[in-house]
Amino acid sequence: GAGVSQSPSNKVTEKGKDVELRCDPISGHTALYWYRQSLGQGLEFLIYFQGNSAPDKSGLPSDRFSAERTGGSVSTLTIQRTQQEDSAVYLCASSGRGRHSLDYEQYFGPGTRLTVT
Amino acid sequence: GENVEQHPSTLSVQEGDSAVIKCTYSDSASNYFPWYKQELGKRPQLIIDIRSNVGEKKDQRIAVTLNKTAKHFSLHITETQPEDSAVYFCAAQGGGYQKVTFGIGTKLQVIP
Repeated sequence: GAGVSQSPSNKVTEKGKDVELRCDPISGHTALYWYRQSLGQGLEFLIYFQGNSAPDKSGLPSDRFSAERTGGSVSTLTIQRTQQEDSAVYLCASSGRGRHSLDYEQYFGPGTRLTVT
Repeated sequence: GENVEQHPSTLSVQEGDSAVIKCTYSDSASNYFPWYKQELGKRPQLIIDIRSNVGEKKDQRIAVTLNKTAKHFSLHITETQPEDSAVYFCAAQGGGYQKVTFGIGTKLQVIP
């Protein structure tokens, strides 16, 4: 079936502009994660959605970052007033098929490469 | 919350040699330990995982061991090949609804 998709694949924006990044998880997956990965660096956790529970926002680096997940499916990560240090690849991942599923594997999307000029 | 430490951060081995990457975790409630491989310019993909009810799992040239008492787990790659060159991430997770926590990654270079 279809994997995790993200759009756009590349985004170039001017400093100070707002951007929206979209993630379409695998259908039926209850968990959705956003990560940020700078060049040559690790996976920086940003936010975690699990079903209808309140999201874990503990990784968001500032109040310029927010995310929502509508209807338990598509998620949008919004960065307001972008800064040059926001330049990175933003990865989305989804996992889990149900309450009793043992399928914890995270399936990553291809990422959105954000460049702030 | 959970804290996962991973080392080394970089590792170079000669082709055919073995590579070992080690991780420790802090939350004794964690019960799922996956390893992801990220090739240059690509997304991370699961290569092997282990649950807390077993101590070792093998899949061809890769194996993972888990010591629950010491709260550490390791990835072993035998007979390394150039295509094994990548960044490897370990992770730990509690029950199915708990957040996954990743290590910082290990850049493995296999020298032909």
